[in-house]
Amino acid sequence: LAKTTQPISMDSYEGQEVNITCSHNNIATNDYITWYQQFPSQGPRFIIQGYKTKVTNEVASLFIPADRKSSTLSLPRVSLSDTAVYYCLVGETGNTPLVFGKGTRLSVIA
Amino acid sequence: EAQVTQNPRYLITVTGKKLTVTCSQNMNHEYMSWYRQDPGLGLRQIYYSMNVEVTDKGDVPEGYKVSRKEKRNFPLILESPSPNQTSLYFCASRDPSGLADTGELFFGEGSRLTVL
Repeated sequence: LAKTTQPISMDSYEGQEVNITCSHNNIATNDYITWYQQFPSQGPRFIIQGYKTKVTNEVASLFIPADRKSSTLSLPRVSLSDTAVYYCLVGETGNTPLVFGKGTRLSVIA
Repeated sequence: EAQVTQNPRYLITVTGKKLTVTCSQNMNHEYMSWYRQDPGLGLRQIYYSMNVEVTDKGDVPEGYKVSRKEKRNFPLILESPSPNQTSLYFCASRDPSGLADTGELFFGEGSRLTVL
């Protein structure tokens, strides 16, 4: 399983764009990159997933460079309700265990 | 409604008193997993199951047991709980072979366990 490295915490003001980068130097060919969001005392929930280049949905964008050794989750115009822990996971979408790291704690300030 | 249901949501117990945390999912998922979450340590996987009667240890299996006798249920058993098992526990399920390409993990609401 590819190991991931993320910043422990980040702060941002409301309305700003937030970019959280995850390093995964030993990502395998069949691995996808998935991001989850977790609010206090709740289970994580899926945000976005990608394999290469760029993926965008109604919540976020995910940028993956050609070498796939890192990825960046981009949250446009954050609000206070985006304060949460964000986890980057790398693995196959098949029947394999998913390992969560410590995540990045994002604090949005008014 | 698609969901993962855990019970109990809150429990205070004493050292050595056996307990079971139940987990049930209604999405016909093959894969299920248990995690524990402690301050500063993120989510750590305890056990996972890829299908009925198939279970494997995660990163922190000591002191826990699981069983997977049917697809929808994946109970977590603490035979002799100790204070270091005080934690927030999450059950999750996933459909790796379904139409959803993401293999998204669906989590329960969590079970907060305190062992005195």
